[in-house]
Amino acid sequence: KAGVTQTPRYLIKTRGQQVTLSCSPISGHRSVSWYQQTPGQGLQFLFEYFSETQRNKGNFPGRFSGRQFSNSRSEMNVSTLELGDSALYLCASSLQGMSGELFFGEGSRLTVL
Amino acid sequence: DQQVKQNSPSLSVQEGRISILNCDYTNSMFDYFLWYKKYPAEGPTFLISISSIKDKNEDGRFTVFLNKSAKHLSLHIVPSQPGDSAVYFCAASSNSGGSNYKLTFGKGTLLTVNP
Repeated sequence: KAGVTQTPRYLIKTRGQQVTLSCSPISGHRSVSWYQQTPGQGLQFLFEYFSETQRNKGNFPGRFSGRQFSNSRSEMNVSTLELGDSALYLCASSLQGMSGELFFGEGSRLTVL
Repeated sequence: DQQVKQNSPSLSVQEGRISILNCDYTNSMFDYFLWYKKYPAEGPTFLISISSIKDKNEDGRFTVFLNKSAKHLSLHIVPSQPGDSAVYFCAASSNSGGSNYKLTFGKGTLLTVNP
């Protein structure tokens, strides 16, 4: 069974640009969550999607957005990039999204110059 | 305001000894707790969990203890092995108020098991 796949794995952008990250969940998983990992803050919840609906959102500015498609694949977008957006962005999938075990991808490492 | 705290950024133990990783939380609504392990260049992987109706859960070498009155949980690894060297994240969630779709993580503890 294939795991959670995130693309791209690494990317470099400059301030002011935008970026789109993609996540393919484990087959059959309908919930996709996104987390930001930075050395100083650990893993912070961005948002969670289930059946194309955002069910919960973390405390991030509106520059961070996401969506989920009918096949459960998800994308997140960050507009007007800032230096502080440099981080590892992790996607996780689960069957129902209820509190419990999440299956994480390897992450997309974003560097903003 | 950090709701899940792992106050020890790092821990070093000898192979074969016990590793104890600690985690404190402040949100009394949390009712489900998990530990994840993360190796460099990989995503976190689920290790063990515990519901607030229990005070102990064991899985092989890993045991999680929950002290609700102290809002404290700990992960015990016995015996520790070099392959256990990783960053360990404590996480918590609540099944009320629509918050059951997200996990609140601590900042992690880097465990190093020396041969």
